[in-house]
Amino acid sequence: KAGVTQTPRYLIKTRGQQVTLSCSPISGHRSVSWYQQTPGQGLQFLFEYFSETQRNKGNFPGRFSGRQFSNSRSEMNVSTLELGDSALYLCASSPRLGLETQYFGPGTRLLVL
Amino acid sequence: AQSVTQLDSHVSVSEGTPVLLRCNYSSSYSPSLFWYVQHPNKGLQLLLKYTSAATLVKGINGFEAEFKKSETSFHLTKPSAHMSDAAEYFCVSRSYGKLTFGQGTILTVHP
Repeated sequence: KAGVTQTPRYLIKTRGQQVTLSCSPISGHRSVSWYQQTPGQGLQFLFEYFSETQRNKGNFPGRFSGRQFSNSRSEMNVSTLELGDSALYLCASSPRLGLETQYFGPGTRLLVL
Repeated sequence: AQSVTQLDSHVSVSEGTPVLLRCNYSSSYSPSLFWYVQHPNKGLQLLLKYTSAATLVKGINGFEAEFKKSETSFHLTKPSAHMSDAAEYFCVSRSYGKLTFGQGTILTVHP
């Protein structure tokens, strides 16, 4: 069974631009979560989606948004990029909401110049 | 609010010697606890999890962790380190559907 895939793997943007990252969960998994990883702040929870609805949200500004499609694939969008948004963005999936074990993708590394 | 504290940012051991990575958690009740490992430029891989069953949890690659409620600790151990264990390790708590990560411990293994 294929693991969690994220595209693109690497991305370079400039301040003020917006970006969309994509995540395809493991087949049959319906819950998708997003995390931001930076050297200074470590790993932080962004949001979790299940059945196309956002179920949990971390403490990030409204510039960070996401959505989930009927096939459980998820996208996250960051608008008006700032230098501090440079990070590794990780996606994780699990079979259902609230199930403890999450399976992580390799991440998308975003660099904002 | 929950929090997770990994007591060492770096741990260095020699190959074949024991590994101890320390983690303390703070929560209003017993959360679910996990250890994940992250190799360079890779995503996180689950090593083991505690979900209020046995307090001694065995994971993959010879790792295990013991949940001690009285000490609010969930330390990760391995009897004998291998070069391939060199990576960053994260202690994670899950409560009310949200994951809280420790700051990570970088494990270096010397030949």
